[in-house]
Amino acid sequence: NAGVTQTPKFRVLKTGQSMTLLCAQDMNHEYMYWYRQDPGMGLRLIHYSVGEGTTAKGEVPDGYNVSRLKKQNFLLGLESAAPSQTSVYFCASRLSGTNEKLFFGSGTQLSVL
Amino acid sequence: AQRVTQPEKLLSVFKGAPVELKCNYSYSGSPELFWYVQYSRQRLQLLLRHISRESIKGFTADLNKGETSFHLKKPFAQEEDSAMYYCALSDSGYSTLTFGKGTMLLVSP
Repeated sequence: NAGVTQTPKFRVLKTGQSMTLLCAQDMNHEYMYWYRQDPGMGLRLIHYSVGEGTTAKGEVPDGYNVSRLKKQNFLLGLESAAPSQTSVYFCASRLSGTNEKLFFGSGTQLSVL
Repeated sequence: AQRVTQPEKLLSVFKGAPVELKCNYSYSGSPELFWYVQYSRQRLQLLLRHISRESIKGFTADLNKGETSFHLKKPFAQEEDSAMYYCALSDSGYSTLTFGKGTMLLVSP
């Protein structure tokens, strides 16, 4: 059981470039999330999904898009990267809502120059 | 809107001292509260949740609805407790978790 796997682990982009972060889970979880972690800001929710084919905006969705075409995968896209998107990105999943715990990936360190 | 406040960015204590990491929340409904921990070079993981009323690694947390608090406590801190601790609140639909900004706990020998 791999749990929650994020790729890549590190990436450096130039302003205006695009990229996609992949999150994969093998636990048959319904709910998946993308958070960003910034010093002094804690974890902030970007987008989330409560099931295959569904997505919803979180607290800081601007500049990001997501897709959940398969239950096990949740993709986070940056169409035109900006320095303000330099952050550590965490994917998480859980079986359902209702007090279920989150399982986190190991994070992606993204730098936008 | 729901909100989680962790007033301390850093808490530094000596080994064997009591620890209390503060968490206050703002929420109109019946809250579901959690503590998550991130040890150095490890993934974020659940430490405990209020509904379970459990004690994990010697930590406990009691929900005080009157004071809207969910402080994390441990009577005797250990060096291995050094980590970043996040308090989190679940929304009424149980879809999302709102995290506080985190408190870094440093336990010195």
